[in-house]
Amino acid sequence: GDSVTQMEGPVTLSEEAFLTINCTYTATGYPSLFWYVQYPGEGLQLLLKATKADDKGSNKGFEATYRKETTSFHLEKGSVQVSDSAVYFCALRGNTPLVFGKGTRLSVIA
Amino acid sequence: DTAVSQTPKYLVTQMGNDKSIKCEQNLGHDTMYWYKQDSKKFLKIMFSYNNKELIINETVPNRFSPKSPDKAHLNLHINSLELGDSAVYFCASSQGVTGTYSNQPQHFGDGTRLSIL
Repeated sequence: GDSVTQMEGPVTLSEEAFLTINCTYTATGYPSLFWYVQYPGEGLQLLLKATKADDKGSNKGFEATYRKETTSFHLEKGSVQVSDSAVYFCALRGNTPLVFGKGTRLSVIA
Repeated sequence: DTAVSQTPKYLVTQMGNDKSIKCEQNLGHDTMYWYKQDSKKFLKIMFSYNNKELIINETVPNRFSPKSPDKAHLNLHINSLELGDSAVYFCASSQGVTGTYSNQPQHFGDGTRLSIL
């Protein structure tokens, strides 16, 4: 079945550092790919999405590109802020409801 | 306006009790879901309803019974609560289930933190 694998955390970075959170997927067909973010004590919010190969999703300085050849959807941000501290989930949706990765906790320190 | 709202936000109760969590969405979506998030933040789907019909029922104890009175509501009733039921339960909604709707994201509520004493 469909599955998502993302790098295990926690990830701790200093403010203004470059962020990469790796995500790879296994799916039949052509799924849509998503990144969700969960801030402490809150629900999941959609951060960005890409619906076909080579699409780039972007929002709030975060970017991810749908790479079909490597079945990847890595999340990147050029300069993180303390307010970006949260848990990030990679997810896919194909012929099933959302399938989530296990989440990566990011802590950004000033 | 809150898109997906679930109540209560916190639920503390004793083992063996029966409790319900309510969920409502005002997005006009036709599909609603319940997820369970464990202490390690792992998210697992429990149920999904499309137009009030159950379409997904993962391996969940039958002590858990969802009910969808209409497209905008999906409630979760839990009988005989056990220690292992302690978790955060998230309600979500989306438009459509698969196929042409696969590019539609799911919208989540803020969660209900259930603690069993």
